[in-house]
Amino acid sequence: GENVEQHPSTLSVQEGDSAVIKCTYSDSASNYFPWYKQELGKRPQLIIDIRSNVGEKKDQRIAVTLNKTAKHFSLHITETQPEDSAVYFCAASKVWSGGSNYKLTFGKGTLLTVNP
Amino acid sequence: DTGVSQNPRHKITKRGQNVTFRCDPISEHNRLYWYRQTLGQGPEFLTYFQNEAQLEKSRLLSDRFSAERPKGSFSTLEIQRTEQGDSAMYLCASSLGGTRRSYNEQFFGPGTRLTVL
Repeated sequence: GENVEQHPSTLSVQEGDSAVIKCTYSDSASNYFPWYKQELGKRPQLIIDIRSNVGEKKDQRIAVTLNKTAKHFSLHITETQPEDSAVYFCAASKVWSGGSNYKLTFGKGTLLTVNP
Repeated sequence: DTGVSQNPRHKITKRGQNVTFRCDPISEHNRLYWYRQTLGQGPEFLTYFQNEAQLEKSRLLSDRFSAERPKGSFSTLEIQRTEQGDSAMYLCASSLGGTRRSYNEQFFGPGTRLTVL
């Protein structure tokens, strides 16, 4: 089955700096890669996702890059703010194919702390 | 509130007791997922429904676990003869289903935190 590794497990940055979180996946058939943000005691919420036919996607201060050959993808947050502090999870899934199973396989998470 | 809802939010039980959790997905969503999350870990897939059909079950789902989704609406997850290792946050998610990218976004509920004493 799919295995997703996520690094680092904790990341501390100063407000205004950039933060990068990296994930690798094992199943070359995975084609959908969402990122979720989970604040303490709250539900995971999707912040950005990318399909395997796209190399990069941006949404304001957040961007995700995907390298299918190397089977890794990264989350980039620029101009970090204290409210960005949370646990971030990457995930991988197989969708839109004959072998779709839709379940998400998550990484172990990265605790991001943005210091004012 | 039109999001995914779960009840109860917290459940404390003694080892050996049975517990049942409920998930109400977003109304038009035909796919429903159960995940389990322990402290410091990402959610782990347990099982998945498309409408009322349970299409996949994880190896994590032992015989003590059973899930149903009658009529393709709400879902229940039952754990029989609970063990201390069952203590976790049980998350439900739903998605619309279909071929468009946006239809596959999974929306999570707030979870049910189970503590087995």
